[in-house]
Amino acid sequence: GAVVSQHPSRVICKSGTSVKIECRSLDFQATTMFWYRQFPKQSLMLMATSNEGSKATYEQGVEKDKFLINHASLTLSTLTVTSAHPEDSSFYICSARDSGADTQYFGPGTRLTVL
Amino acid sequence: TQLLEQSPQFLSIQEGENLTVYCNSSSVFSSLQWYRQEPGEGPVLLVTVVTGGEVKKLKRLTFQFGDARKDSSLHITAAQPGDTGLYLCAGAPGNQFYFGTGTSLTVIP
Repeated sequence: GAVVSQHPSRVICKSGTSVKIECRSLDFQATTMFWYRQFPKQSLMLMATSNEGSKATYEQGVEKDKFLINHASLTLSTLTVTSAHPEDSSFYICSARDSGADTQYFGPGTRLTVL
Repeated sequence: TQLLEQSPQFLSIQEGENLTVYCNSSSVFSSLQWYRQEPGEGPVLLVTVVTGGEVKKLKRLTFQFGDARKDSSLHITAAQPGDTGLYLCAGAPGNQFYFGTGTSLTVIP
């Protein structure tokens, strides 16, 4: 079946540094990818919708300058958390929509811890 | 205000009991999906309901889509400890894909 990978799976960084998370669709092309954030015991909150070749659409309350999204190819989207702070510590999950099958597949998530 | 509200938020039951989780919205959806998520992992798709009034069964899980396609329910019969997890409904009113508020289920042996 279709697979979406995320890298890294876990990252620990110091406050003030930037962290890049990659989301790849391994065997299909994804014109649309979604980025979610999840706190413990809570649901996934949509942060932004990433469209290949165009600017991402951010949800209300999500700072576009802090969470930089680049969807440069049909198989790769990146989320960069700039100047990370402890409150940015969370579980970040991406998903990729297989435009050919109109189906969505989720990555395994990235656990970010900011010290 | 969340687009998809789930109830209850937390549920702790004994093995063998039945339970129902509700997913409600004021918006109409062309389809709704149910997922289950384990801690530290991505959500796993359980089912997609498309037609208003549709009922789908997956072993001991029964999913129903409301006639007006604004709500859905998940019923688990004879719950087992392996059913423990976070249950999420989700849908796409437009190009975005949103999750419900989630129901954390714990089944006690």
